[in-house]
Amino acid sequence: ETGVTQTPRHLVMGMTNKKSLKCEQHLGHNAMYWYKQSAKKPLELMFVYSLEERVENNSVPSRFSPECPNSSHLFLHLHTLQPEDSALYLCASSQSGLDEQFFGPGTRLTVL
Amino acid sequence: GENVEQHPSTLSVQEGDSAVIKCTYSDSASNYFPWYKQELGKRPQLIIDIRSNVGEKKDQRIAVTLNKTAKHFSLHITETQPEDSAVYFCAASISGAGSYQLTFGKGTKLSVIP
Repeated sequence: ETGVTQTPRHLVMGMTNKKSLKCEQHLGHNAMYWYKQSAKKPLELMFVYSLEERVENNSVPSRFSPECPNSSHLFLHLHTLQPEDSALYLCASSQSGLDEQFFGPGTRLTVL
Repeated sequence: GENVEQHPSTLSVQEGDSAVIKCTYSDSASNYFPWYKQELGKRPQLIIDIRSNVGEKKDQRIAVTLNKTAKHFSLHITETQPEDSAVYFCAASISGAGSYQLTFGKGTKLSVIP
């Protein structure tokens, strides 16, 4: 698949579980993002990585832990989540210095 | 920080009619304003954007206008078609290297009735 891919597409987890979301971009970009999309709320930027360094962290709870091992891959590690964390988690990428962000299909997360 | 307000939250139009979605922003330093379309169950995709050095931009049936003084920008869709039904998001940011923060509006669900 080209563009930005995300796995898994759907995830159900209990509050005591640990899971990880994966994002991969095939566009040669050097910036990657995690967004949270909840019903009736704006897209919320969670983390930004540029050249594998975290450049923004928008006051996200520590139960969300990002990892960017290289410019093509981005992970979001989840542990001891709450039911209110249920949402669509979107990954995006862009080329540093250019504005357009390209989104992945998202992971629909349900926390029981 | 930037705050983007978007109206209306839902919009229904008859096929062939026009649709207008409006956004306001708070940070006068913002200079890049994209619009994204998200169809049901799909990813957001950029459909058009405008920068602060122009007042209007068109791409076929879609146009965006920007009023820097009033700090608002609008999306206009003419001759609407059923495939235009989706959620539309406006956003604002400060363009340039080292700047990554896109602030989004809450979205407008557009329904085009055949």
